[in-house]
Amino acid sequence: GAVVSQHPSRVICKSGTSVKIECRSLDFQATTMFWYRQFPKQSLMLMATSNEGSKATYEQGVEKDKFLINHASLTLSTLTVTSAHPEDSSFYICSARTSGSSISSYNEQFFGPGTRLTVL
Amino acid sequence: KNQVEQSPQSLIILEGKNCTLQCNYTVSPFSNLRWYKQDTGRGPVSLTIMTFSENTKSNGRYTATLDADTKQSSLHITASQLSDSASYICVVSAYGQNFVFGPGTRLSVLP
Repeated sequence: GAVVSQHPSRVICKSGTSVKIECRSLDFQATTMFWYRQFPKQSLMLMATSNEGSKATYEQGVEKDKFLINHASLTLSTLTVTSAHPEDSSFYICSARTSGSSISSYNEQFFGPGTRLTVL
Repeated sequence: KNQVEQSPQSLIILEGKNCTLQCNYTVSPFSNLRWYKQDTGRGPVSLTIMTFSENTKSNGRYTATLDADTKQSSLHITASQLSDSASYICVVSAYGQNFVFGPGTRLSVLP
C-alpha cells in the first residue's frame, strides 16, 4: 500500500524560531502534495497544495511568507513555519496524491501521520 | 457553496454495540465520497470510497452507504470495539476540486 511519512512526529520550539516539517511518499511518486492544519476537536483545514517543481497554491488566509512550502522532488515536500508564534501551535498533516492508477483508481490522497507543533 | 455536514458531533456507545454515523453534503459536481478514521494524534486512514454509482461498500465491520439523490451517506459500525474510538470524517470530492472535509464525529466506545 501507499505510505506517507512525516518527520518529525512532534516538535517543540521557541517563539520566533523556524521549524521545518518533511513529508515523504515512501513507495510511490507524488505529483501533488497537500498540507493541512488541524486544531483540537476540529477537522482538517487545507493550507496549501504543492505540485512538484512549481510554486505552491495557498488557500485564502494562509500567509505564504510564513508557511514556506517546497516540493523539490516527486517524493518529498517540506513545510517551513517561519518565525513561529504560539498561535501556530497545531497538528500539521500532509497528504500525497499520485496521478498514476497503479495504486488507486480514485486519484486518492494518502495521509501522513501528522506532526504536532508546539511553540512556547 | 460546497459543504459537508456530519451528525452526531459526538457519540458514546458500549463495546459490542452497533452505531451509525451520518453525512450530508452539497458538493457538486460529485465525484466520490470517502469515510476516514482518525485516531487521536494520527493522520486519517481511509475506510471506504464510493463513487456515484455505488450504494454500499463494506470494509470489515464498517459499512458505508451512499444515496446520491438525497446526497446522504452513512457509516455503520458493527459490534464495536474499544479500538473504534476515534474521529470519523466524511470527505467528499468534486471533479477538479480539492477534498471537502466534514467536521467529523467523535466516537467513544466504553467497556
